[in-house]
Amino acid sequence: GENVEQHPSTLSVQEGDSAVIKCTYSDSASNYFPWYKQELGKGPQLIIDIRSNVGEKKDQRIAVTLNKTAKHFSLHITETQPEDSAVYFCAASVGTGNQFYFGTGTSLTVIP
Amino acid sequence: EAGVAQSPRYKIIEKRQSVAFWCNPISGHATLYWYQQILGQGPKLLIQFQNNGVVDDSQLPKDRFSAERLKGVDSTLKIQPAKLEDSAVYLCASSLGHFFSPLHFGNGTRLTVT
Repeated sequence: GENVEQHPSTLSVQEGDSAVIKCTYSDSASNYFPWYKQELGKGPQLIIDIRSNVGEKKDQRIAVTLNKTAKHFSLHITETQPEDSAVYFCAASVGTGNQFYFGTGTSLTVIP
Repeated sequence: EAGVAQSPRYKIIEKRQSVAFWCNPISGHATLYWYQQILGQGPKLLIQFQNNGVVDDSQLPKDRFSAERLKGVDSTLKIQPAKLEDSAVYLCASSLGHFFSPLHFGNGTRLTVT
């Protein structure tokens, strides 16, 4: 099955700086890559996603890039704010079965 | 739209007892998932339903875990008997089930087994 690795496991940045989280996947059939943000005591919430036919997608301060050849994708958060502090999970999905495989998470702390 | 509803939010039981969790997905979502999230880890799939049929239950410990999806809508996950290592957050998620349909998660049930 699919194996998703995520780095780093913890990340601290100063408010206003950028944060980058990287994930790699093993199954070349994976074609959909969502990112989730999980705040304490809540379930993961979708923040951005990308399909395999797209190299980059941006939504305000958040962007995701995908390199299919290298089988890795990254989350970029610019101008970080304290409310960005949370655990972020990447996931990979093989569209036919809608099965999702998650990374191990990155705990992001934005220092005011 | 209303989100995925789960209950209870918290449950504390002793080992060897039984426990059940309930999930109501977003209306119209054909696919329903149960995930186990151990502290500090990513969600791990336990079972996936498409309508009221099981798509994948390969990682469900069937000697103690069971799940059903009633009439293709609500779902219950049961653990009997519980072990200490079952302490985790149990997340329910749903999706439309189409290609590139994202998961929508509930807030989970935090289970503590003592």
